[in-house]
Amino acid sequence: DVKVTQSSRYLVKRTGEKVFLECVQDMDHENMFWYRQDPGLGLRLIYFSYDVKMKEKGDIPEGYSVSREKKERFSLILESASTNQTSMYLCASLSPPGEQYFGPGTRLTVT
Amino acid sequence: QQQVKQSPQSLIVQKGGISIINCAYENTAFDYFPWYQQFPGKGPALLIAIRPDVSEKKEGRFTISFNKSAKQFSLHIMDSQPGDSATYFCAASIEQAGTALIFGKGTTLSVSS
Repeated sequence: DVKVTQSSRYLVKRTGEKVFLECVQDMDHENMFWYRQDPGLGLRLIYFSYDVKMKEKGDIPEGYSVSREKKERFSLILESASTNQTSMYLCASLSPPGEQYFGPGTRLTVT
Repeated sequence: QQQVKQSPQSLIVQKGGISIINCAYENTAFDYFPWYQQFPGKGPALLIAIRPDVSEKKEGRFTISFNKSAKQFSLHIMDSQPGDSATYFCAASIEQAGTALIFGKGTTLSVSS
């Protein structure tokens, strides 16, 4: 069975902290994605990766960076968390040709 | 051109009724159109998907209708049940390119018993 796991379900951080969100998939997928979900705005793509050490900016990359050192792990980094980054963060991996599998999400609150 | 527009934003349907959610797109290169279902506290999960070579796809009570010339597709939920209450997202992508899905903004469906 396909599995995408995210390191935390809930996270509370202070403004200015560096935040790491981890995502692991066990399906040997090459493409992985980070989205944020906000009410009324749907899912917006932050970054994606199509191979180890490869990354591409999505629609809203400002304030975020990513790391993919191993195929199964894709990390989202908030360099200096701000209150407007309070959101639900969803990781996904792609099963060719088109189906994306999502993790359960991390609800991040920045105070 | 990359947008997928989804309507309505919210929908209330009586048990046993038909729920209809509509989406429209602009990019004619899109060739994969999935619908995702999301329950509170969970990540979205693929519900049903269609490719432009067919005009309709049915899986149980869920049907996608696809109109290539109008660049529109819709989800129909027949005999809606309270367990169908969830948020539904339409999406589109260029499948062979392995690109990220472009999502609509979602529809919150509530089925009253």
